[in-house]
Amino acid sequence: AQSVTQLDSHVSVSEGTPVLLRCNYSSSYSPSLFWYVQHPNKGLQLLLKYTSAATLVKGINGFEAEFKKSETSFHLTKPSAHMSDAAEYFCVVRSIQRGGSQGNLIFGKGTKLSVKP
Amino acid sequence: DTAVSQTPKYLVTQMGNDKSIKCEQNLGHDTMYWYKQDSKKFLKIMFSYNNKELIINETVPNRFSPKSPDKAHLNLHINSLELGDSAVYFCASSRTGLAFYEQYFGPGTRLTVT
Repeated sequence: AQSVTQLDSHVSVSEGTPVLLRCNYSSSYSPSLFWYVQHPNKGLQLLLKYTSAATLVKGINGFEAEFKKSETSFHLTKPSAHMSDAAEYFCVVRSIQRGGSQGNLIFGKGTKLSVKP
Repeated sequence: DTAVSQTPKYLVTQMGNDKSIKCEQNLGHDTMYWYKQDSKKFLKIMFSYNNKELIINETVPNRFSPKSPDKAHLNLHINSLELGDSAVYFCASSRTGLAFYEQYFGPGTRLTVT
């Protein structure tokens, strides 16, 4: 079975300081991993995705994530937070099922990022 | 141009009523989905629909029924609405095939059942 755990429900940083949002996954087969962002009262937007091409993945708005198989982690980082980064962030896993069919997206419970001026 | 659109954005209704939420995508995708986001922001898939094949999540009550007139549209019909159905419902679409094809989400429909 696949699952994803976001280790922090709420992270608060000051503007201009680094951001770290932690995510651990569990997957029987080779996973595809995603980070989505949801701004207040908005839909979900893809930040980045891991497709096994490279372990360090760069996304939009300066975010990046590193896939570490040995640690089953896919943490999201950004060197310098901006006020507009305040939002809910979701780590998502999708696996290939036995036989090659796509599995469903499994969402983490989300991490709320607050950015202080 | 909006890639995935939903109507209405807000829906307030009384218990026992029947309502529908519409979803359209102009991305040319052949797989569409419905998700439910509860008050704690937890997102869970309800249905995925690939062309003419419907995949039903067993935890979804049969009061919920998706209907797809064509591959660009996937509507969600809910019968006999209950208080617990209050949530934000998101439609999404994706290409079919590889697991790393991302899903594109609509803006959501906030359903409030009173």
